[in-house]
Amino acid sequence: GAGVSQSPSNKVTEKGKDVELRCDPISGHTALYWYRQSLGQGLEFLIYFQGNSAPDKSGLPSDRFSAERTGGSVSTLTIQRTQQEDSAVYLCASRWEWESGELFFGEGSRLTVL
Amino acid sequence: AQSVTQLDSQVPVFEEAPVELRCNYSSSVSVYLFWYVQYPNQGLQLLLKYLSGSTLVKGINGFEAEFNKSQTSFHLRKPSVHISDTAEYFCAVSNFGNEKLTFGTGTRLTIIP
Repeated sequence: GAGVSQSPSNKVTEKGKDVELRCDPISGHTALYWYRQSLGQGLEFLIYFQGNSAPDKSGLPSDRFSAERTGGSVSTLTIQRTQQEDSAVYLCASRWEWESGELFFGEGSRLTVL
Repeated sequence: AQSVTQLDSQVPVFEEAPVELRCNYSSSVSVYLFWYVQYPNQGLQLLLKYLSGSTLVKGINGFEAEFNKSQTSFHLRKPSVHISDTAEYFCAVSNFGNEKLTFGTGTRLTIIP
């Protein structure tokens, strides 16, 4: 597709369950980001992948959160043993390697933990 | 570490009036600065960016922003707003050589007819 694609768009889960969120970046984009958007909290950086370099995981809030990027394209964000405070919109973005700052965002995956 | 402060969480403005949305940043090194916009029920999109050169940058939909290094600010302005400008606006910063973007908490712009 032409844009960043995220799935599922909405996910409701029970506390303690694991969830996986998927991101398909724009074809050819080498950099991929995950952010979390909570009401009144703005966008919280989670993790950043750039080509074959080691990812910047400095924003992951706990060891329950992990992400991988397979083949330099699709990325999966996994949250284990979900908690109610994990409820948020998870945004994925990608960009060209040499285009500083212009991130192209997906529409997000809204996670609700009951 | 870099950070961004958007002091105004909500800004109501009458239609056709001017608006300024404030952004201040903190960084120990040179920066790139950005404004992103999120329209209702849509994803974020880039409004404008400052990388180098002229400190006054123009973006889409008639918005502009001015980089002020001495005041560490990058305020967003528009001389005359329209109903269609209703959205949430996010300021963001990254450092040279580090492509992690740090976002502010956002300013919700509401246009009053």
